[in-house]
Amino acid sequence: SQTIHQWPATLVQPVGSPLSLECTVEGTSNPNLYWYRQAAGRGLQLLFYSVGIGQISSEVPQNLSASRPQDRQFILSSKKLLLSDSGFYLCAGTMGEAQETQYFGPGTRLLVL
Amino acid sequence: GQQLNQSPQSMFIQEGEDVSMNCTSSSIFNTWLWYKQDPGEGPVLLIALYKAGELTSNGRLTAQFGITRKDSFLNISASIPSDVGIYFCAGQNGGAQKLVFGQGTRLTINP
Repeated sequence: SQTIHQWPATLVQPVGSPLSLECTVEGTSNPNLYWYRQAAGRGLQLLFYSVGIGQISSEVPQNLSASRPQDRQFILSSKKLLLSDSGFYLCAGTMGEAQETQYFGPGTRLLVL
Repeated sequence: GQQLNQSPQSMFIQEGEDVSMNCTSSSIFNTWLWYKQDPGEGPVLLIALYKAGELTSNGRLTAQFGITRKDSFLNISASIPSDVGIYFCAGQNGGAQKLVFGQGTRLTINP
């Protein structure tokens, strides 16, 4: 079965500090991978997606960046966090031949103070 | 860009009642997906629909892919407390690598 892991589960960071959130995928190869942000009680905002190693598409201009150094690893980063970066970050991936169906990880809750 | 209108935004029902929610779009989608999200967790896929007119069940859940390809509904029969959460619809246009999500329906069940 396919599994998406996210690390860490919760993070509290000061404004101006760097950020690195990791997403790893098990049980499939060559997945499409996605980073979403969700504000409290709100819908999902797509931040980045990747269809392969080193390929990143950005959906919204922002203070964040993404990288895909390995087939099943997707990283969300920032050099200097802003207060507005607080939120719930979700990684998602497609599995197998069903490239239109995304499965989500457990999420990382980020609080910037 | 493409948008999905999901309704209702919230529902307050009694345990045992049936639930119905839907999503509509001005654009055609080739795939419709329904997810449920519990507080503090990632969304979990409930039902995936791949053909216009398709009606699919998963236990007490039933979803349909509208014949026009511009809408989908999700029904929950005989609701129970663990059905509480936020339900999201999502659609994909063939060839696109991205999903378009609705804003969610928050379901609350009164005991």
